Amino acid sequence: EPEVTQTPSHQVTQMGQEVILRCVPISNHLYFYWYRQILGQKVEFLVSFYNNEISEKSEIFDDQFSVERPDGSNFTLKIRSTKLEDSAMYFCASNLRGQGFRDTQYFGPGTRLTVL
Amino acid sequence: AQTVTQSQPEMSVQEAETVTLSCTYDTSESDYYLFWYKQPPSRQMILVIRQEAYKQQNATENRFSVNFQKAAKSFSLKISDSQLGDAAMYFCAYRSALGSARQLTFGSGTQLTVLP
Repeated sequence: EPEVTQTPSHQVTQMGQEVILRCVPISNHLYFYWYRQILGQKVEFLVSFYNNEISEKSEIFDDQFSVERPDGSNFTLKIRSTKLEDSAMYFCASNLRGQGFRDTQYFGPGTRLTVL
Repeated sequence: AQTVTQSQPEMSVQEAETVTLSCTYDTSESDYYLFWYKQPPSRQMILVIRQEAYKQQNATENRFSVNFQKAAKSFSLKISDSQLGDAAMYFCAYRSALGSARQLTFGSGTQLTVLP
């Protein structure tokens, strides 16, 4: 069964450094998302991406964040200058366009980001 | 903005028994989707069940079923014949069916423990 994959599974970085989190969505999916979950808290929406541009973003997704689909398969989240409060689990998700079950978001296993 | 509330931070159930997890939501929209996701200790987000708001019939998936009360804005999850593998954090989530906004809004989660 196709699945969303994410790399790395765990990233440790120093405050102020740039990080890139990578995702490979399910191959025929058209909508892509990033969510984050600070330890012990709820999952929060960051950004959605469709047709090579951002379609929605939350207040969390400020100028320090950017997303890109550099080729036909990868979807990346870049944090330019990491802060301690960026430490969280970052989930990528994707879905087909359409109604019903085609519109269900499937999540990757997550990347745990630790900022020291 | 939509909000999702899970009022039970923790629940426990004996193996083979039935447990119900509660979820309420607030929205002014009439068309939307509701989901239950399961997050085991691996922290992967796994879809358990979904419900379309326009459907009156409650969704079921094997041992999992929902009680969707649209007027009360309630969406509870019933797990029958609980198994040790059901132990996880369960998140209720809302998604609008209108316009281009497709992001999920999550509740704070219920940690389910299954006792042998």
